This record gives sequence, structure tokens and C-alpha cells, in this order.
Amino acid sequence: AQSVSQHNHHVILSEAASLELGCNYSYGGTVNLFWYVQYPGQHLQLLLKYFSGDPLVKGIKGFEAEFIKSKFSFNLRKPSVQWSDTAEYFCAVRTNGGSQGNLIFGKGTKLSVKP
Amino acid sequence: KAGVTQTPRYLIKTRGQQVTLSCSPISGHRSVSWYQQTPGQGLQFLFEYFSETQRNKGNFPGRFSGRQFSNSRSEMNVSTLELGDSALYLCASSPDHFTQFFGPGTRLTVL
Repeated sequence: AQSVSQHNHHVILSEAASLELGCNYSYGGTVNLFWYVQYPGQHLQLLLKYFSGDPLVKGIKGFEAEFIKSKFSFNLRKPSVQWSDTAEYFCAVRTNGGSQGNLIFGKGTKLSVKP
Repeated sequence: KAGVTQTPRYLIKTRGQQVTLSCSPISGHRSVSWYQQTPGQGLQFLFEYFSETQRNKGNFPGRFSGRQFSNSRSEMNVSTLELGDSALYLCASSPDHFTQFFGPGTRLTVL
């Protein structure tokens, strides 16, 4: 069965530190890739997505992610985090192409940014 | 545009009861998906509806069911509630089956 792994359960950084959150998936076919963020008390919001083309994807709030097909990875990066980036981050994969639209989520990574 | 709305936001039920949750998608979105979020299992796909038809179903028992109306609004129903059904139930709508926009969720507590 397809699965998504997020390597870190909880990451703690100081403001201005660089961020990289790992995401790997297990599926050999075509995938669409997503990162969602859930700020405390808020609902899931889309950060960025990859469907095709340039494997380096830029999203909102200065986030970017790189799709490396050979490594089945889609890591999220931000050069300099802010306290307001404190949230839980979810990687998600959509497989099966065509009409089926369900997402398979990783377990999430909690990011705590110290001011 | 208004976002995805879910009602009620919080619900407390007892074991054996049934519950119905409602979701109104973003205007113009015809695809609605439901997910269950728990601390242990994370986010798990329940089902997807498009044009009143269930297109895809996750690995949940038959106690979990749903439907979609002609105006794209969707409901999910859980019968014979169990303690393990306590979770945040998320609804997501999509204009194209690809990008999903999530609502705030309904927090269900089963006592």
C-alpha cells in the first residue's frame, strides 16, 4: 500500500534558522505532491503543490519544496523561519492519477520556533 | 469566496449512538472528500463524492457512510459509535479532484 513518511515528529528551531522537513513516499507511478500546514487552532491550509514540470516548487510564505523522483522525496524548505511558522506540517501524496482524488498523508511534523 | 464550512464544530455522543456531520464546499466545487484525523493514526481518507456519486472509499467499516446532494453539500454518518471514533472529521472540497481545500473540521467525542 502507498504510504508517506515524515522523518521528524517534532522540530525545534530558533528564529532565522533554516528549515528542512523530510517527506518520502512509496509509490512507483505518477504522483501529485502537497504540503499542508495547520497553525494552532486553525484548519489545514495548502502551502504548495507539485504536479509536473520544474521539480523546485515555490509556495506561500517563503516555503519551497523539491521533488526528487529518484529518491521518492518531496522535502520542504525555508531559508529563515519565523516564530509565526510554528505549526504542524503535513506532506501528502495523491496517487492513481485519473479521477481518484484522495490524499495519503504523512503523520505530520510539529515545528516549534523559539523567538 | 467563502471557504469550506462544517457543522457542527463540536459534538459529544455516547457509544452506540449515531451521528451526522455536514459539509458545505466552496462555491463551484463539485468534489467533496472526508478525512478522519486522530493523534495515533493521523489523517486518513474516508470517502470522496463527486456529482452525488461516491468515487472512492477508504478502508473504514461500513458504519461510516456518506452522501452528496445536488448542490454539492455533503453529509457523513457514523452509526453505532465506538470510543475509537472520537476524532476530528475534516471535509475538503476540490474544483478538479487534485487540489483540496479543507474546512475547520468537526470534533467528535464519543463517551
